[in-house]
Amino acid sequence: EPEVTQTPSHQVTQMGQEVILRCVPISNHLYFYWYRQILGQKVEFLVSFYNNEISEKSEIFDDQFSVERPDGSNFTLKIRSTKLEDSAMYFCASIRDRSNTGELFFGEGSRLTVL
Amino acid sequence: AQTVTQSQPEMSVQEAETVTLSCTYDTSESDYYLFWYKQPPSRQMILVIRQEAYKQQNATENRFSVNFQKAAKSFSLKISDSQLGDAAMYFCAYRSPGGGADGLTFGKGTHLIIQP
Repeated sequence: EPEVTQTPSHQVTQMGQEVILRCVPISNHLYFYWYRQILGQKVEFLVSFYNNEISEKSEIFDDQFSVERPDGSNFTLKIRSTKLEDSAMYFCASIRDRSNTGELFFGEGSRLTVL
Repeated sequence: AQTVTQSQPEMSVQEAETVTLSCTYDTSESDYYLFWYKQPPSRQMILVIRQEAYKQQNATENRFSVNFQKAAKSFSLKISDSQLGDAAMYFCAYRSPGGGADGLTFGKGTHLIIQP
């Protein structure tokens, strides 16, 4: 069964460093998402991406964040200068199209620890 | 903006018993989708069950069923014959019908403990 894959599963970084989290969505899916889950808190929407551009972004997704799909396969989330509060689990998700009944498929997540 | 509220941070149930997880939401839309996702310790969120708001019939998937009360904006999950493998975080989520852009709005989750 096709699945969303994410790398790395866990990354530890120093505050101020750049981090890139990678995701390979399901191949025939068209919409892609990043969500964040700070430990013990709810899953929060960060950004959605369609047709090689951002469709929607939340207040969390400030200028320190960026997304791109450089090669038609990987979907990356970059944090330019990490802060302590960026420590969280980051989930990538994808969905086939807007007519779909709404099931997002999630990856296993990338745990980011900022020291 | 839509909000989703799960008022039970943690629930505990004996194996083989039935447990109900609560979820309420707030929206001005008449058509939407509701979901329950399960997040076991392995971290990947897995879809448990979904409900289209235009359907009056409550969704059922094996031991999992929902009680969807549209007027009350309530969407509870009932797990029958609880099993040890049901132990996980359960998230209630809302999605707009044309919501390819804005994805899901999640509740804070309920941690379900299964007592052997």
